Amino acid sequence: DQQVKQNSPSLSVQEGRISILNCDYTNSMFDYFLWYKKYPAEGPTFLISISSIKDKNEDGRFTVFLNKSAKHLSLHIVPSQPGDSAVYFCAASADQGGSEKLVFGKGTKLTVNP
Amino acid sequence: NAGVTQTPKFRVLKTGQSMTLLCAQDMNHEYMYWYRQDPGMGLRLIHYSVGEGTTAKGEVPDGYNVSRLKKQNFLLGLESAAPSQTSVYFCASSYAGGRTYEQYFGPGTRLTVT
Repeated sequence: DQQVKQNSPSLSVQEGRISILNCDYTNSMFDYFLWYKKYPAEGPTFLISISSIKDKNEDGRFTVFLNKSAKHLSLHIVPSQPGDSAVYFCAASADQGGSEKLVFGKGTKLTVNP
Repeated sequence: NAGVTQTPKFRVLKTGQSMTLLCAQDMNHEYMYWYRQDPGMGLRLIHYSVGEGTTAKGEVPDGYNVSRLKKQNFLLGLESAAPSQTSVYFCASSYAGGRTYEQYFGPGTRLTVT
């Protein structure tokens, strides 16, 4: 049972345009969401997060939107740059008394074309 | 400050052989995790530890054992390797409490079992 779903395995955009990566979740207990970025042959690195008490969090070119009623979040990258080409993982967590476990989606490979 | 390091980076095992993957972190993190990443499967939690001397099972623990004898190290053992354990293994660590949930990942170990 996949609790965090990234239904688009890949996405291709032109440099300078907006990239929108989507993530859906099924567990209503999830209350904290993160995006990780992964380059080939490297470990994932944290990008941005959002708590369920917010509907938007912005950090430079990256903005995450959360729609709790739809159990949907999205990552917007504006403007997209070739260096943004990577696999992006959505992750979610529920308050489990400190066990800090994350559930990851399968990832979306973003390609930004010059 | 090296962050999270993993040893070895690559390994090829024959079915039935054993090995230990070593993870070390120098950020004084309480929590440590072992994940595996398979094509099209995202990151799946194998085992984790919320402190020195403690370990717990994650989503896919079968065939693996772990130990956390020192706060900075988290070992993942395969007692009798199987081809199904061919994967890329990532170690991660994080602070305890505060629900920041930002996990810092190592560069990964690519394991092939023939």
